[in-house]
Amino acid sequence: NAGVTQTPKFRVLKTGQSMTLLCAQDMNHEYMYWYRQDPGMGLRLIHYSVGEGTTAKGEVPDGYNVSRLKKQNFLLGLESAAPSQTSVYFCASSYGRQGAYGYTFGSGTRLTVV
Amino acid sequence: SQQGEEDPQALSIQEGENATMNCSYKTSINNLQWYRQNSGRGLVHLILIRSNEREKHSGRLRVTLDTSKKSSSLLITASRAADTASYFCATDGRGSARQLTFGSGTQLTVLP
Repeated sequence: NAGVTQTPKFRVLKTGQSMTLLCAQDMNHEYMYWYRQDPGMGLRLIHYSVGEGTTAKGEVPDGYNVSRLKKQNFLLGLESAAPSQTSVYFCASSYGRQGAYGYTFGSGTRLTVV
Repeated sequence: SQQGEEDPQALSIQEGENATMNCSYKTSINNLQWYRQNSGRGLVHLILIRSNEREKHSGRLRVTLDTSKKSSSLLITASRAADTASYFCATDGRGSARQLTFGSGTQLTVLP
């Protein structure tokens, strides 16, 4: 039982390049989330999904897009990377309605934009 | 915006001592959760306390919630070096969105 798996674990991008971060969960969770973590700022929600085929904006959605074509996968895309997007990105999933249950987190993707 | 704010930002104690971390929040909540993050790893869910509960225990963890003061505390008893990590509180606010909002965390160092 892998839980939440994020790929890749590390990536260096040049400004303007694009990339997709993949999150996969095998717990049949309905809800999935993408957060970014910056030093001294805790985690901030980028986008989230309440089920297959649905997505919604979080606190800091600008510069990111997401898709949830399959229940088990939640993709985060950066169309044109900027240095301000240098961060550690975490995917999480939860069983029931948002916040009513604990989240299961992936191990993170460390992204550097140069 | 951050709903929860932890205090202190950093805490250093000796193995065997108790560690207490506090969390304050701003708006009404449905529940409050605590997470641990080891260096370079993802967050791990520790405990959830609902707004109608005042205290909850899980092993060496004790969480209290005071909704009148909009605050919570996490107590780790008989700390171990393996407890060294960052600890975050997260709140599930009322309203239609209801995602978890995380604080900036307390860095706990337990010295052997």
